[in-house]
Amino acid sequence: GQNIDQPTEMTATEGAIVQINCTYQTSGFNGLFWYQQHAGEAPTFLSYNVLDGLEEKGRFSSFLSRSKGYSYLLLKELQMKDSASYLCAFHGGATNKLIFGTGTLLAVQP
Amino acid sequence: DSGVTQTPKHLITATGQRVTLRCSPRSGDLSVYWYQQSLDQGLQFLIHYYNGEERAKGNILERFSAQQFPDLHSELNLSSLELGDSALYFCASSEGGGAQPQHFGDGTRLSIL
Repeated sequence: GQNIDQPTEMTATEGAIVQINCTYQTSGFNGLFWYQQHAGEAPTFLSYNVLDGLEEKGRFSSFLSRSKGYSYLLLKELQMKDSASYLCAFHGGATNKLIFGTGTLLAVQP
Repeated sequence: DSGVTQTPKHLITATGQRVTLRCSPRSGDLSVYWYQQSLDQGLQFLIHYYNGEERAKGNILERFSAQQFPDLHSELNLSSLELGDSALYFCASSEGGGAQPQHFGDGTRLSIL
């Protein structure tokens, strides 16, 4: 079957670094996506990994290990506006659809 | 602004009724996806259309149907509405039909009274 798992909530301090983990299981795999979603708003695309390794984009980086079914999103120099839900999703190959995790609600404290 | 337009932003109706949600994808995008997001369930994939044809189906109820028109806009029809259908409905679009970043509209908040 297909499933995806990420922590429900995390708390971090302004200016710090936080790592949000995501594990998944699927027989077909075409890529791993991370989205940011503020409450009541649309998800916003952050990053996409299709090969193993680290993709860096400003303060945000995403890592993928296909053999371990594991990804993480790294947020550096945290700002209060980074308080949001972070959604991990994989593209399930032949099923041709994105399977989303339930999201990790990140609270950034002063 | 993602470039994906959804109307209406809010919809309030009663049980048993039927509603239509509309989505215009970003210019140049051929794929349209529909998702349902409720408080306790996260983002659930409903259906995917590519250039007018259905490509993939998720947990879409038989009371729900969708289509994509020649101008690539899409409509999601929800009928015989139940209280449990209250949710945020998002449309997303992408350029192709495979594993590409999807860009989401602002959603339609549907409230069933």
